Amino acid sequence: GDSVTQMEGPVTLSEEAFLTINCTYTATGYPSLFWYVQYPGEGLQLLLKATKADDKGSNKGFEATYRKETTSFHLEKGSVQVSDSAVYFCALSDHNYGQNFVFGPGTRLSVLP
Amino acid sequence: SQTIHQWPATLVQPVGSPLSLECTVEGTSNPNLYWYRQAAGRGLQLLFYSVGIGQISSEVPQNLSASRPQDRQFILSSKKLLLSDSGFYLCAWSGGVSDEQFFGPGTRLTVL
Repeated sequence: GDSVTQMEGPVTLSEEAFLTINCTYTATGYPSLFWYVQYPGEGLQLLLKATKADDKGSNKGFEATYRKETTSFHLEKGSVQVSDSAVYFCALSDHNYGQNFVFGPGTRLSVLP
Repeated sequence: SQTIHQWPATLVQPVGSPLSLECTVEGTSNPNLYWYRQAAGRGLQLLFYSVGIGQISSEVPQNLSASRPQDRQFILSSKKLLLSDSGFYLCAWSGGVSDEQFFGPGTRLTVL
């Protein structure tokens, strides 16, 4: 079945550091890919998405590119802020299987001032 | 625009007591609905999903149940809570022209 793998956290960075959170997936169909963010005590919010190969999703300085050849969707940000501290989830939606959503385990990011 | 509500926001219940968590969606029709549980410091565990009224699929066998009495209402229940039921419960919906899931604010359940 479909699956999503993320790098294990927690990730601790200093403010203004460069961020990469790796995400790879396996899917039998042609999935859409997502990054969600969860701030403490809240539900998940969609951060960005990409629906086909080579698409780049971007939002709030975060970017991720849909790489079909490497089955990856790595999240990057050039300069993190303390307010970016949260848990980040990579996810896919496989249209060949209706509304089948698969989430990765999440990566906790802590940004220190 | 679409919105999703969950209540209560927090709940403290004794072991063996019943549970009822409610989720409602506004601004869309015939959504797919989902219940997830998130244990402390852990990822999301899909508990139930529903593609229509009265249609419930269970992903994990346990002492919880779900019902969908109306198109935009999804209820999570238990007859007798266990300590292991503590966690953060999230409701989500999907459907319409978008292929993503939209999450509610969650309910923090503590079973003592």
